[in-house]
Amino acid sequence: GENVEQHPSTLSVQEGDSAVIKCTYSDSASNYFPWYKQELGKRPQLIIDIRSNVGEKKDQRIAVTLNKTAKHFSLHITETQPEDSAVYFCAASRGGSYIPTFGRGTSLIVHP
Amino acid sequence: NAGVTQTPKFQVLKTGQSMTLQCAQDMNHEYMSWYRQDPGMGLRLIHYSVGAGITDQGEVPNGYNVSRSTTEDFPLRLLSAAPSQTSVYFCASSYATGNEAFFGQGTRLTVV
Repeated sequence: GENVEQHPSTLSVQEGDSAVIKCTYSDSASNYFPWYKQELGKRPQLIIDIRSNVGEKKDQRIAVTLNKTAKHFSLHITETQPEDSAVYFCAASRGGSYIPTFGRGTSLIVHP
Repeated sequence: NAGVTQTPKFQVLKTGQSMTLQCAQDMNHEYMSWYRQDPGMGLRLIHYSVGAGITDQGEVPNGYNVSRSTTEDFPLRLLSAAPSQTSVYFCASSYATGNEAFFGQGTRLTVV
């Protein structure tokens, strides 16, 4: 089955800095790569996703890049703010009856 | 539109007790799944369903049962609770595996 590795497990940055979280996946048939943000005590919520026919996608301060050849994808957050502090999860799915596999999460801490 | 509703929000069980975690969605999603979230372990898939009457095991199914008699409901049953099942449980649903997953609010379960 699919295996998703996520790094780092913890990331501490100063407000205004950029943050990058990286994930690798094992199943070359995976074609959908979502990112979820989970604030403390809350449920995970989708913040951005990318499909295999696209190399990069941006939404204001967040962007995701995908390298299908190397089987890795990354989340980029620019101009970080304290409200970006949360746990971020990447996931990979090949569609059909295959439920997405999640990475172990990255705890992002943005210091004011 | 309520989305995904999970009950209860908190529960304390004694070792050996049984209980059912309820999950309901009103989005007519075919795909539903149950995850447990433990510190440093991310979201681990317990059981999932690709439609009414169809269920399958995920990564950590032991000690849990599920059924899917309707599209809307996907209850998770703990047969004989053990301290190792102390965790936060999330139910999720999606239109398809290659689409956004919507999570319930979570259930914090403590087994003593």
